[in-house]
Amino acid sequence: NAGVTQTPKFRILKIGQSMTLQCTQDMNHNYMYWYRQDPGMGLKLIYYSVGAGITDKGEVPNGYNVSRSTTEDFPLRLELAAPSQTSVYFCASTDRLPGANVLTFGAGSRLTVL
Amino acid sequence: KQEVTQIPAALSVPEGENLVLNCSFTDSAIYNLQWFRQDPGKGLTSLLLIQSSQREQTSGRLNASLDKSSGRSTLYIAASQPGDSATYLCAVYDTNAGKSTFGDGTTLTVKP
Repeated sequence: NAGVTQTPKFRILKIGQSMTLQCTQDMNHNYMYWYRQDPGMGLKLIYYSVGAGITDKGEVPNGYNVSRSTTEDFPLRLELAAPSQTSVYFCASTDRLPGANVLTFGAGSRLTVL
Repeated sequence: KQEVTQIPAALSVPEGENLVLNCSFTDSAIYNLQWFRQDPGKGLTSLLLIQSSQREQTSGRLNASLDKSSGRSTLYIAASQPGDSATYLCAVYDTNAGKSTFGDGTTLTVKP
């Protein structure tokens, strides 16, 4: 099925551990994004990419890193996990085409840091 | 910096009522505006996308309008049903930034 796939769906980390959230899209979209959503809040942009090899910081990049070696994949790495990183993480993609630009989301990855 | 505000934060209505959700944004240089639905514990589902050159979009019982000059969008839901209960978020896509800014959402409860 076409769309955005995120793994894992759930993860519990201990303080100080590291992990990578995976995101893959098969729609050949150039633009990809990582958001986090805290309870009762909207989405805050962590990092984004406008194409392979190009990444840029969003509103809340501290404690995270990304890479974009292919059009399809946009992994998000958490270094030295902290309780403040407990959140739901969403990956999304789109493309800047006239009349298009629908932002398509993955199902989310729920991360708990204890 | 673009800021997006959704008021009210929560809304409760009886079944069958027509309702309007509001979204306002501070920078009118947007490429498009998108309305999403989010069910508890789930991801975001796109409802409607309005390009900056358009005034409104319709899908079934949903109608979204856009007034760029005043920095406002509304989502109109006709004849609400309990199945419409969810959180509704709007997002504006900035022309030059290549990214979307989200509001905090309006949580709608439709009572049978």
